[in-house]
Amino acid sequence: GAVVSQHPSWVICKSGTSVKIECRSLDFQATTMFWYRQFPKQSLMLMATSNEGSKATYEQGVEKDKFLINHASLTLSTLTVTSAHPEDSSFYICSARDSRGRNYGYTFGSGTRLTVV
Amino acid sequence: QQPVQSPQAVILREGEDAVINCSSSKALYSVHWYRQKHGEAPVFLMILLKGGEQKGHEKISASFNEKKQQSSLYLTASQLSYSGTYFCGGGTSYGKLTFGQGTILTVHP
Repeated sequence: GAVVSQHPSWVICKSGTSVKIECRSLDFQATTMFWYRQFPKQSLMLMATSNEGSKATYEQGVEKDKFLINHASLTLSTLTVTSAHPEDSSFYICSARDSRGRNYGYTFGSGTRLTVV
Repeated sequence: QQPVQSPQAVILREGEDAVINCSSSKALYSVHWYRQKHGEAPVFLMILLKGGEQKGHEKISASFNEKKQQSSLYLTASQLSYSGTYFCGGGTSYGKLTFGQGTILTVHP
């Protein structure tokens, strides 16, 4: 089956520092990955679509200079939260379309809980 | 635009049935259903790709009414393990998935 590995599972960082989150497709190639953010008791909000070899597409209201996305290979996408502030604290999850076909939906990484202090 | 789910929360006893609805103001290419447990990533339940399509797996099934841009998830004879937050996702032809606000399902013994 399709497995998406996300690291780290949690991170605590100081305000003003940058944090990188990795998302890897382990047994398939993902030309497109999606990054979501989820605040407590809320839905998953799509932040951006990560495209291998090209620029990411950001959703309205998401600062592309703050949330840097790099998709340098067919199995790895990274999200860097730059100059993090407490309001960036959230649960960040990546996903990729299951390579087995459309009937299998999307596979999600296990998520990264970011706490900015 | 985000799909709208109803109800916001459901409380059941084991063995009871539930229906969760999802509607969209935009035309949907596909409808996805996921379940998320607290602190975990969403888990894929099923996808509906065509209007009129109905699918099921064990005691969970779903339907998609393309004309009304509505989908429903049916949970029959609920089990304790069904507890969690259920999200519907509206998919576009290029793969973008937008989630509804979620429905919290709690199953009690």
